[in-house]
Amino acid sequence: ETGVTQTPRHLVMGMTNKKSLKCEQHLGHNAMYWYKQSAKKPLELMFVYNFKEQTENNSVPSRFSPECPNSSHLFLHLHTLQPEDSALYLCASSQDWSSATDTQYFGPGTRLTVL
Amino acid sequence: GQNIDQPTEMTATEGAIVQINCTYQTSGFNGLFWYQQHAGEAPTFLSYNVLDGLEEKGRFSSFLSRSKGYSYLLLKELQMKDSASYLCASMDSNYQLIWGAGTKLIIKP
Repeated sequence: ETGVTQTPRHLVMGMTNKKSLKCEQHLGHNAMYWYKQSAKKPLELMFVYNFKEQTENNSVPSRFSPECPNSSHLFLHLHTLQPEDSALYLCASSQDWSSATDTQYFGPGTRLTVL
Repeated sequence: GQNIDQPTEMTATEGAIVQINCTYQTSGFNGLFWYQQHAGEAPTFLSYNVLDGLEEKGRFSSFLSRSKGYSYLLLKELQMKDSASYLCASMDSNYQLIWGAGTKLIIKP
């Protein structure tokens, strides 16, 4: 238990569906992250929020839409996804963005399959 | 470009020692992280090095050479529960973690 929870753990959706991934952290952190993890590939940073403000958006397609209503919650809204978007989506949090010694704590991820 | 290289898979025997290497090239450097990830679980933090040398934490140690762009994770007295993927990540000048693809470590009895 890392203090970061994600729901759902597994999601299967069609290309025309709309779904949302949820992340919640109970660590009192100020920064939250979305990563994509594909098999045998490095973790890809998608979005970073620091104090609820988006600080990074690493050229992610607009079919992925993040939302951070407060420092404890982070959502990833999905619509009209492609089969190549199938992956493990990991949420992480850390005390602050832009700190060299800041450790990121990860949730267990949502395994997404797009049919 | 930024790049992290680590072996894809390694096999070791229970009770033995294994060293997982990582080489990195990033725009600036703010430290080197190692994480452990069991199948289907969250990556968990193992170590952070920013100065050259060896940091020891129980059965796990991590080494850094900044001049060589090189790190390794040393696991001693291997246990079956150490079977996992080990992720190397370098923090660049923008405080962004650049990740390797991970090394899958298989422990055999």
